[in-house]
Amino acid sequence: RKEVEQDPGPFNVPEGATVAFNCTYSNSASQSFFWYRQDCRKEPKLLMSVYSSGNEDGRFTAQLNRASQYISLLIRDSKLSDSATYLCVVPSGPNNAGNMLTFGGGTRLMVKP
Amino acid sequence: NAGVTQTPKFQVLKTGQSMTLQCAQDMNHEYMSWYRQDPGMGLRLIHYSVGAGITDQGEVPNGYNVSRSTTEDFPLRLLSAAPSQTSVYFCASSERGVSLFAGANVLTFGAGSRLTVL
Repeated sequence: RKEVEQDPGPFNVPEGATVAFNCTYSNSASQSFFWYRQDCRKEPKLLMSVYSSGNEDGRFTAQLNRASQYISLLIRDSKLSDSATYLCVVPSGPNNAGNMLTFGGGTRLMVKP
Repeated sequence: NAGVTQTPKFQVLKTGQSMTLQCAQDMNHEYMSWYRQDPGMGLRLIHYSVGAGITDQGEVPNGYNVSRSTTEDFPLRLLSAAPSQTSVYFCASSERGVSLFAGANVLTFGAGSRLTVL
């Protein structure tokens, strides 16, 4: 099993729709999780952090399910500008040291007019 | 405040050539790292450093060397380039080291360096 797995998509949704992505992780010792956003041919940028059960920031909600070892990202009222690739990031490393950040392969979102 | 600066932005090499990708940050960050990004593979960690004089291997270190003589700079060296090293390379830094626990720091990325090895 990969350390961090995401559905690559693409998710094609109309403007105003609600869309959710899941990310599964294998390191049960991880306590903090991140969603990064990456626009085409650009560097990743932090979107949200998740340290406990969840986090909400405007239209974006990130939730954590430790029992099933997944995190989710919910985007409400999708905008054209939300079109991007969303990367799930989990601390990992040998012996669960957590001294590395492992990125999922990303989920591509395309919001259409 | 420039953040994380990578040079060059683009480079074409022939197989067997050597080169260095430069990375500099002006935020006094302790932690610096290099990732490569390939289609369908996500970002994979090459090497990282938790402070000046300290480096360690990531997930895909073979074919790459690093050093950290100063807090600000973390160059990535390709000693003998191979076509398999064609990729987009990102340097990233954070104020403190990465941790399993809440409070792990956010990574700030450079704009990336696109390398093609023929």
